Amino acid sequence: DTAVSQTPKYLVTQMGNDKSIKCEQNLGHDTMYWYKQDSKKFLKIMFSYNNKELIINETVPNRFSPKSPDKAHLNLHINSLELGDSAVYFCASSQGVRLGNNEQFFGPGTRLTVL
Amino acid sequence: RKEVEQDPGPFNVPEGATVAFNCTYSNSASQSFFWYRQDCRKEPKLLMSVYSSGNEDGRFTAQLNRASQYISLLIRDSKLSDSATYLCVVFSGSARQLTFGSGTQLTVLP
Repeated sequence: DTAVSQTPKYLVTQMGNDKSIKCEQNLGHDTMYWYKQDSKKFLKIMFSYNNKELIINETVPNRFSPKSPDKAHLNLHINSLELGDSAVYFCASSQGVRLGNNEQFFGPGTRLTVL
Repeated sequence: RKEVEQDPGPFNVPEGATVAFNCTYSNSASQSFFWYRQDCRKEPKLLMSVYSSGNEDGRFTAQLNRASQYISLLIRDSKLSDSATYLCVVFSGSARQLTFGSGTQLTVLP
């Protein structure tokens, strides 16, 4: 059973489009995250979210927005896609809200290519 | 200076070799430290946390040097299956920030 799952695995789209990536975790974790890994392999946190607090990395453009219908899901919506958005996006979850003391469980990633 | 800096490698070593990676961090207030492993085109997975006194898990040993602001990972008796990218991860509570290094690529050769 997959602990953290993402769909789609690959996403190819045109500039200017709006797209969503879905994430689900069945670990019962309280906190979920979105990360972006660029072509240079830097993995940067975009958002962390639990049912009480959304923490946004200030460098993330407001074209990106997380949406959480419930504790087990955190979807990523991207508006007006740009070429620079091409990357691998990882969803993750952890138990508890203390970011520094909890193992991050990552999903398999979504490879986004913007043409 | 990058917040978390690693030698990208690649490190190509024969099976059975001992290899060490270092990682430096710029925020002296950093509190927690980790090594993650990422296989090619896969997601990162926690390898081990790094404790102040140093810690060992089988063939893997992690060390922390707060004075010099670096952490290290030592792999003894390398296996082919150790081939991966090793990510250094640093948490700063004051900034509420988890920062990943860009990773060090290791290839263990038969």
